[in-house]
Amino acid sequence: SAVISQKPSRDICQRGTSLTIQCQVDSQVTMMFWYRQQPGQSLTLIATANQGSEATYESGFVIDKFPISRPNLTFSTLTVSNMSPEDSSIYLCSVDNYSYNEQFFGPGTRLTVL
Amino acid sequence: KQEVTQIPAALSVPEGENLVLNCSFTDSAIYNLQWFRQDPGKGLTSLLLIQSSQREQTSGRLNASLDKSSGRSTLYIAASQPGDSATYLCAVRFMNTGFQKLVFGTGTRLLVSP
Repeated sequence: SAVISQKPSRDICQRGTSLTIQCQVDSQVTMMFWYRQQPGQSLTLIATANQGSEATYESGFVIDKFPISRPNLTFSTLTVSNMSPEDSSIYLCSVDNYSYNEQFFGPGTRLTVL
Repeated sequence: KQEVTQIPAALSVPEGENLVLNCSFTDSAIYNLQWFRQDPGKGLTSLLLIQSSQREQTSGRLNASLDKSSGRSTLYIAASQPGDSATYLCAVRFMNTGFQKLVFGTGTRLLVSP
């Protein structure tokens, strides 16, 4: 299984600011995924990030709000831009074990927007 | 639209009981199904992965079954312990939404009391 770390683990931010979340994996992976979990809700996929190409966003999520970088095969960042209280969520990074299509998750970043 | 539903939403049992968590999905054309555990405010831990060709998987006190034709999976926990208290999430990889995307259920919040 992959070992995934995220920074920061939590943050409290002011409305209108932006936060960049980092995700580091201990092995090279083709695809990395970013999920959001709003309070009391299940997980929703934001986007899929491939190295060397633009991220693919799910319906309801746009690049201007959630820009993603994928500079190499072990690292990705998700930025939450122009934040509002509705962006308060846990943001999770995930990777896929391509051999078995088993997905693994990082510890998450708990974001609170005031 | 592919959806995943979990029943019950919450479950409280005394220590030592055997219990069953249910997951249903709307489309039988799936690649696989994965059960996760999530502790409060934390990331997800993969428990069991069942490929579409399999009927069940076992790991320790956990047993997951899959019945594709009826769109159901169950997670059986034997001899429950207080340390099993967590939210359990079922996630399905549907063929029609692409093998990269996991669709999550709403979760079952389990409390095992000593």
